[in-house]
Amino acid sequence: EVQLVESGGGLVQPGGSLRLSCAASGFIFSGHEMNWVRQAPGKGLEWVSYISASGETTHYADSVKGRFTISRDNSKNSIYLQMNSLSVEDTAVYYCARDPSPMVRGRGAFDVWGQGTTVTVSS
Amino acid sequence: DIQMTQSPSSLSASVGDRVTISCQASQDIRKYLNWFQQKPGKAPKLLIYDASNLETGVPLRFSGSGSVTDFTLSISSVQPEDIATYYCQQYETLPRTFGQGTKLEIK
Repeated sequence: EVQLVESGGGLVQPGGSLRLSCAASGFIFSGHEMNWVRQAPGKGLEWVSYISASGETTHYADSVKGRFTISRDNSKNSIYLQMNSLSVEDTAVYYCARDPSPMVRGRGAFDVWGQGTTVTVSS
Repeated sequence: DIQMTQSPSSLSASVGDRVTISCQASQDIRKYLNWFQQKPGKAPKLLIYDASNLETGVPLRFSGSGSVTDFTLSISSVQPEDIATYYCQQYETLPRTFGQGTKLEIK
């Protein structure tokens, strides 16, 4: 079964840091680009960050650039999101989401999602 | 950034009704549009990719159409389990952007 499982969320004070993890199973992880997407309470979806299959290329939303860092370890079938200088505006459910294989579908985005992990930034 | 505008923001339909949700991109995204369904407390689920292709396992009552800047998600006969919020999302370019969502309720 194709599966993504996020972990690492929790309560953190403004200015603090947190590291999220996403563990993949059921597919050839190294063949897929990956993303983080977040959803603030009662709000819509916001793409946060992208990482290429090799990990060499990364992209970030302007709202997190310079504060968040995405990385991956293909030997552990996992991606990570290091979040620094957190503010209350970062409070959200954070999802990892897979891009479909370009060899199968060409260009695509977000075909598989994890269940999400909740980050609350509050004093 | 490409802005995605959905309409309506909410709608109410009776079981068996046909419903249509619109999504407009602020610039040409060719066919690179997804539609997602999100139920309360759950992760989004991909319904339609490349504007009109049905994801595996998605009921045939869902369909998508459009290209360039104007897109539509249709549900041919709404069922009770279709209660959810629906989002469009473009992947023509980064940043990948979502519409604001359309909440579907059953009368």
